[in-house]
Parts: sequence; structure tokens; C-alpha cells
Amino acid sequence: KNEVEQSPQNLTAQEGEFITINCSYSVGISALHWLQQHPGGGIVSLFMLSSGKKKHGRLIATINIQEKHSSLHITASHPRDSAVYICAVRSWSGGSNYKLTFGKGTLLTVNP
Amino acid sequence: SQTIHQWPATLVQPVGSPLSLECTVEGTSNPNLYWYRQAAGRGLQLLFYSIGIDQISSEVPQNLSASRPQDRQFILSSKKLLLSDSGFYLCAWTTSGGPSYEQYFGPGTRLTVT
Repeated sequence: KNEVEQSPQNLTAQEGEFITINCSYSVGISALHWLQQHPGGGIVSLFMLSSGKKKHGRLIATINIQEKHSSLHITASHPRDSAVYICAVRSWSGGSNYKLTFGKGTLLTVNP
Repeated sequence: SQTIHQWPATLVQPVGSPLSLECTVEGTSNPNLYWYRQAAGRGLQLLFYSIGIDQISSEVPQNLSASRPQDRQFILSSKKLLLSDSGFYLCAWTTSGGPSYEQYFGPGTRLTVT
């Protein structure tokens, strides 16, 4: 079983719809990241959170540490939101080092 | 501001040929550096990380190696490429230490081994 599970794997939406992508993890973490990867491959960090909720524009990320679950929401979706969204958890790997473990990503396609 | 560079952007190499991918970071000192690989249909996988010059840790046994000859330079190498080495390679950095520091990714190198 993967340490980080994302759902759904693929998501198609119409412009304007509210979108939710889920992430569950099985290890103890110090932080959780939501990343966005566009078709060219470059990765942009959207959020890093360790508790509660963060909001940036139309994007909202929440995390429930007790339930080991996080969600990424996109309000009023737009075709430019089409990308792969990746959940990654940061956990301790020994000494003073931390590593990221990634989910396989959710491919979001927003149609006009 | 901090910037991370990777080159080349794309690379097509025959099986058995050597590999050298370079990553450099600007605007920070003593960063933690990381090499990740994203194979087709799979999530990102950590290959190597470095907390300082000549300090490299390997996460996955493979025919790849990494070196950090300078504080802000991280190199991924192979003596003989395998077909399974094809993928998208990403370099990343964080400020050293601490559990909750932001991780920044480079633009990536797409490697195709033929």
C-alpha cells in the first residue's frame, strides 16, 4: 500500500464547477504539500500546511492530522486550472533530515 | 530571490551511454538539495538528497549516482544508462534544517533512453 493515496486519479469538470481532490496518508508527518504540475512538467508549490486550512485565491487546502487526510479545493474552476495536482507528505528520515513522499497525482481537466 | 536551474531540459540517450544532469541554485547558501525521478504513470520518487558538500544520501539502489562538488551545485550521473532510467528528473532544494520548510523545484529534465 502506498504511503500517500490520492483520489480521484482523473477528474474532468466543466468551467465554474467546485473541485475537490483528496489525499490520505499513513505515516506521521511534519507537513503536507500540494503541488501543481503543468503539461510541460514544471512543478509549482501551491500550499504547505501542517494544520487547519489555507486559502490562496480560488484554492483552499485543508488538513486533518488526526484522520491523516487533506483536501484541495478549487472554486469556480477554469480551464487554466487543468494540470496534475500532487500531494506530498514530509516525514522525518533520520538525523535532521526530512523527506517528501509523493502521491501519484490527480489529473484535472477543466473544459470550457 | 532564489532560483534553481536544471539542464539540459530534454535529453535522448542510447542504452549504455553515460549521463550527467546538472542543477544549480542561486540566491541561497547551504541548501538541502534533492534529486527526484518521475517515471511514466508513477509518482515522484526521491533518488538522492544532500545536506552539504560531498554529503550525499541515496534512497533507492540503482545505477545512478549523485555528487555535490560545490555548495549550490548538484549533479546526477550514470556510467551506463538503462531503458528503465527514462523519466522526468527534478532537482529541488530547501533551506537547511527544520521540518516545515518550503521545497522549491527546478524545471526538470526529460530523459528518454532508447
